[in-house]
Amino acid sequence: AQSVSQHNHHVILSEAASLELGCNYSYGGTVNLFWYVQYPGQHLQLLLKYFSGDPLVKGIKGFEAEFIKSKFSFNLRKPSVQWSDTAEYFCAVKRRSGNTGKLIFGQGTTLQVKP
Amino acid sequence: DTAVSQTPKYLVTQMGNDKSIKCEQNLGHDTMYWYKQDSKKFLKIMFSYNNKELIINETVPNRFSPKSPDKAHLNLHINSLELGDSAVYFCASSQVASGGLDTQYFGPGTRLTVL
Repeated sequence: AQSVSQHNHHVILSEAASLELGCNYSYGGTVNLFWYVQYPGQHLQLLLKYFSGDPLVKGIKGFEAEFIKSKFSFNLRKPSVQWSDTAEYFCAVKRRSGNTGKLIFGQGTTLQVKP
Repeated sequence: DTAVSQTPKYLVTQMGNDKSIKCEQNLGHDTMYWYKQDSKKFLKIMFSYNNKELIINETVPNRFSPKSPDKAHLNLHINSLELGDSAVYFCASSQVASGGLDTQYFGPGTRLTVL
């Protein structure tokens, strides 16, 4: 069965530190990849997505992610985090075929940024 | 303008009751979804409807019944509520284009507490 794994469950950083959150998926076919963010008490917002083309994608708020097909990975990065980045981060994968739109989410990573 | 809206935002009820959550999207999307987020923040798809037709039903107890009166609305009715139904329920929508190149947009969530 298709699955998504986020390696870091809880990350604590100081402001201005660099961030990298890991995401791996298990599916051999073509996929669409997403990172969503959930600020405290709010709904999920799309940070960035990858469908095809340049494997390095840039999203909102200075986030970027790199798709490495050989490693089935889609890691999220930000060079310098801010206190306002404190949130829950979810990696999600959707199979390109089948057209059901079903998103499979990782377990989420809680990011806490200390001022 | 709220793209995907849900009502109510909070729902507190007793075990055994029947309740409904409503979802509306004004994005013109053809597909809508219900996700359940448990206490560990894990998100899992429950249902999806494409143009009022059920296309995903993820082994959800039949106490849960989605209803889509039109493609802009997807309501979730839950019968005989149980303690384990306590969670945050998110509605989402997307335009399932050819090739599966769609992005899901999420509503604000409904926090259901069963006492």
